[in-house]
Amino acid sequence: GENVEQHPSTLSVQEGDSAVIKCTYSDSASNYFPWYKQELGKRPQLIIDIRSNVGEKKDQRIAVTLNKTAKHFSLHITETQPEDSAVYFCAASPAGGYQKVTFGTGTKLQVIP
Amino acid sequence: KAGVTQTPRYLIKTRGQQVTLSCSPISGHRSVSWYQQTPGQGLQFLFEYFSETQRNKGNFPGRFSGRQFSNSRSEMNVSTLELGDSALYLCASSLGKTVGEQFFGPGTRLTVL
Repeated sequence: GENVEQHPSTLSVQEGDSAVIKCTYSDSASNYFPWYKQELGKRPQLIIDIRSNVGEKKDQRIAVTLNKTAKHFSLHITETQPEDSAVYFCAASPAGGYQKVTFGTGTKLQVIP
Repeated sequence: KAGVTQTPRYLIKTRGQQVTLSCSPISGHRSVSWYQQTPGQGLQFLFEYFSETQRNKGNFPGRFSGRQFSNSRSEMNVSTLELGDSALYLCASSLGKTVGEQFFGPGTRLTVL
């Protein structure tokens, strides 16, 4: 089955700096890669996703890059703000209509004001 | 639209008992997935239902089971509870036609004593 590894497990940055979270996956059949943000005590929410026919996707301060050859993808947050503090989960899912999503173990991001 | 709801929000059980958790998806969503969330383990996939059929199953013992009703509401059952079953159980709904964004419920916090 699919295995998703995520690094680092914790990340502290100064407000205004950039943050990068990296993930690798094992199943070459995976072609959908979402990122979820979970604030303390709240439910996970999708912040951005990418499909394997795209190498990079941006949404304001957030960007995701995908390298299918190397089987890794990354989340980039620029100009970090205190409200970016949360746990971020990467995930991978195979093609088709099946929602079989394998999540990474999460990265706790702390943005220091 | 109303979001995903889960009941109950909190449960305390003792070892050996069984428990049933309920999830009501967003109206129109036909796919419901269940996840177990524990500190350090992230979100682990339990199973996914689509149109009353289990389409995918994770690597959990047979004590974990589920079902989906014709109105897409889903239940998850855990029999013969063990201490290690203490966790936050999240359900997530999606349209289900293709793999895509999942909308999570607030979770049910299960404590096994």
